[in-house]
Amino acid sequence: EAQVTQNPRYLITVTGKKLTVTCSQNMNHEYMSWYRQDPGLGLRQIYYSMNVEVTDKGDVPEGYKVSRKEKRNFPLILESPSPNQTSLYFCASSFAGRFTEAFFGQGTRLTVV
Amino acid sequence: KQEVTQIPAALSVPEGENLVLNCSFTDSAIYNLQWFRQDPGKGLTSLLLIQSSQREQTSGRLNASLDKSSGRSTLYIAASQPGDSATYLCAVDFGNEKLTFGTGTRLTIIP
Repeated sequence: EAQVTQNPRYLITVTGKKLTVTCSQNMNHEYMSWYRQDPGLGLRQIYYSMNVEVTDKGDVPEGYKVSRKEKRNFPLILESPSPNQTSLYFCASSFAGRFTEAFFGQGTRLTVV
Repeated sequence: KQEVTQIPAALSVPEGENLVLNCSFTDSAIYNLQWFRQDPGKGLTSLLLIQSSQREQTSGRLNASLDKSSGRSTLYIAASQPGDSATYLCAVDFGNEKLTFGTGTRLTIIP
């Protein structure tokens, strides 16, 4: 089954404790990205990757890091989480190009206390 | 600034009725527009993708239209069912390496 898989689905952590949210896709997509969803603000892009070893900032990259060492994986790293990073996070993937459908993961609900 | 707006934020409709959800965008130079469904505690499910050169797309009871000149898209749901209750999101590719999302319409189908 074609899918984007995120782990964990739920996470509660404390301020400053480094964490990684994993994202994996099995569709051989070149393009992957991370979004956060907050009430009243909708989904906003954090980082994206056009292919292996190619990443770039989205609209809200502060406090986040990403890496793309393999085509299928695109982890999101929070080096020192803060309460304002409490949010619902989504990973997405698609084939490269302008005319392709985006597929999203199930989401990771992160709470930073 | 490229923005996507969905009004109303919430909508309640009796079961069996046909309904229309609205999406408007500020820039007519779009590459494609995608409608998603979001259920509580679950991810985003892609419903329909409309390319910039297309006027509409259909999947089962769903029909999405696109009018670039007026900056509008509609999602038509025929013969609504309680299982259609969810939040519906409209997302536009303006060609800037991301999808720009509206804040969604929360749809409730009343049995």
